[in-house]
Amino acid sequence: SAVISQKPSRDICQRGTSLTIQCQVDSQVTMMFWYRQQPGQSLTLIATANQGSEATYESGFVIDKFPISRPNLTFSTLTVSNMSPEDSSIYLCSSSRGTGGRETQYFGPGTRLLVL
Amino acid sequence: GQSLEQPSEVTAVEGAIVQINCTYQTSGFYGLSWYQQHDGGAPTFLSYNALDGLEETGRFSSFLSRSDSYGYLLLQELQMKDSASYFCAVRDEGGGFKTIFGAGTRLFVKA
Repeated sequence: SAVISQKPSRDICQRGTSLTIQCQVDSQVTMMFWYRQQPGQSLTLIATANQGSEATYESGFVIDKFPISRPNLTFSTLTVSNMSPEDSSIYLCSSSRGTGGRETQYFGPGTRLLVL
Repeated sequence: GQSLEQPSEVTAVEGAIVQINCTYQTSGFYGLSWYQQHDGGAPTFLSYNALDGLEETGRFSSFLSRSDSYGYLLLQELQMKDSASYFCAVRDEGGGFKTIFGAGTRLFVKA
């Protein structure tokens, strides 16, 4: 299994500020994914981060609001920019392991963000 | 577009068997997965079906029918610790290998 760590684990931020979330995987992976989850809700994919190329954003998410870096095969950051209370959520980093189509997705512990 | 449907809540008693259904609609399909998430925790992988049929892993089994765009997770010998949210998810190869999650089924196991 993959071990994924995230920093910070939680934060309380003022509206209008930005927060950068770091994600570290214990081994090299091709793709990393960033999800958002409201308490009691499902996981919504924000973007897919590939090393050496720009992230691919899902409908409703834009690079100016959620810039992503992927400097190497074990690390990625997600920045939540110009935050508003609506950005309060759990942000989860994820990567896949496996071959032959039997890939398993592993998740970090999440970053709990509260915007005041 | 892509969509997955699963029941929002299921309640069962300890020792019982419960089945959580999932129907999906995707532009591409590369497999159906199931994840468990306890309150305050991260989702953890339970099972994966790429081909029709039943996959068994201990007390948990998962079934897929590609022709019906349907699958289910079967939990046997329920334990209190099985109380959690269960998500079905599809891996859409056509969409860049991303995984899309259903809304989740909250399972309550009663003594």
